[in-house]
Amino acid sequence: EAQVTQNPRYLITVTGKKLTVTCSQNMNHEYMSWYRQDPGLGLRQIYYSMNVEVTDKGDVPEGYKVSRKEKRNFPLILESPSPNQTSLYFCASSLGLHTEAFFGQGTRLTVV
Amino acid sequence: DQQVKQNSPSLSVQEGRISILNCDYTNSMFDYFLWYKKYPAEGPTFLISISSIKDKNEDGRFTVFLNKSAKHLSLHIVPSQPGDSAVYFCAARPYGGSQGNLIFGKGTKLSVKP
Repeated sequence: EAQVTQNPRYLITVTGKKLTVTCSQNMNHEYMSWYRQDPGLGLRQIYYSMNVEVTDKGDVPEGYKVSRKEKRNFPLILESPSPNQTSLYFCASSLGLHTEAFFGQGTRLTVV
Repeated sequence: DQQVKQNSPSLSVQEGRISILNCDYTNSMFDYFLWYKKYPAEGPTFLISISSIKDKNEDGRFTVFLNKSAKHLSLHIVPSQPGDSAVYFCAARPYGGSQGNLIFGKGTKLSVKP
């Protein structure tokens, strides 16, 4: 089954404790992205990647890192999480420029 | 400044009637538009898209209309069903932009009442 898989689905952590949210897709897509969804703000892009070893900042990249060492994986790294990073995070992938993006089920992160 | 605007946070429609969800954009360089549907506790799922060279695209009960001069697009759902109740996001991509440049509106919550 074609899918984008994020882990974990839920995470509660403390301020400053490094964490990684994993994202994997099995569709051989070149393009992958991370978004966060906050009440009243919709979906905002954090980082995206057009291919292996090619990443770029989205609209809200501060406090996040990503890597794309393999085509299928695109982890999101929070080196020192803060409470304002409490949010619902989505990973997405797509085949090309004008094709739809497939989203993972989301990771709800709470930073206390 | 918000480039993709969905000015109605919510919409309530009776089952069987038409649902019309609206989206306005400010960037004339957008050349591809998409609608996504999102249920609670799930990721957004793609619904329908339209290229800027078209003014209409239809897929079953869903039709998207694009008015480039007004920088406006709309999603029509006919007939509306209770299972259509979800949050709908409008998204746009600028010409020459990568997949990474998909810009979303804030969403409209549609409630279809039986």
